[in-house]
Amino acid sequence: AQSVAQPEDQVNVAEGNPLTVKCTYSVSGNPYLFWYVQYPNRGLQFLLKYITGDNLVKGSYGFEAEFNKSQTSFHLKKPSALVSDSALYFCAVRRGQAGTALIFGKGTTLSVSS
Amino acid sequence: GAVVSQHPSWVICKSGTSVKIECRSLDFQATTMFWYRQFPKQSLMLMATSNEGSKATYEQGVEKDKFLINHASLTLSTLTVTSAHPEDSSFYICSAGGSSYNEQFFGPGTRLTVL
Repeated sequence: AQSVAQPEDQVNVAEGNPLTVKCTYSVSGNPYLFWYVQYPNRGLQFLLKYITGDNLVKGSYGFEAEFNKSQTSFHLKKPSALVSDSALYFCAVRRGQAGTALIFGKGTTLSVSS
Repeated sequence: GAVVSQHPSWVICKSGTSVKIECRSLDFQATTMFWYRQFPKQSLMLMATSNEGSKATYEQGVEKDKFLINHASLTLSTLTVTSAHPEDSSFYICSAGGSSYNEQFFGPGTRLTVL
């Protein structure tokens, strides 16, 4: 079964420093990976996805993620964190072909201090 | 981009009553819609997958008689929580997509509180 793991419950960084939120995956077949962000009492906002192609995926709000097949990882990164980036981040993998559900990691709370 | 709305955004009801939550795709047709449930500071758990015009497929452990899902059109799916109890209090999020889409589009969520 498809699954993703987010090993960190919380990540703390200072504003202006680079940030990384980790995600590893376990899939049979090709992985279709996603990152979403959630602010308190709000729905999910799409950040980026990896379907195929370049291993470095650029997304919204300056975020990017690197797909690493050998390490089965899809870490989310940003060169310079903002206080407004503080939120709950979810990595997800698509269960199967297009149109199937997403399976989410447990989430990582990012806290950016000023 | 594709927009998905949910209504209501929050609802408080008494124990034993039923509550209906609507999920609409506003600017595209969604052959498939998904319903997720999220407890505070936890992940989203898939409850069911609904395909337009057919019965929903429920995940293991989800009571289909308690969480009634209807997907009568390509732009509307509804989740009805029947005979709600306090343990049903949660954040319910829908998403919409289909085989033509590589990603899903999420609604803003509905906060249900059962007293």
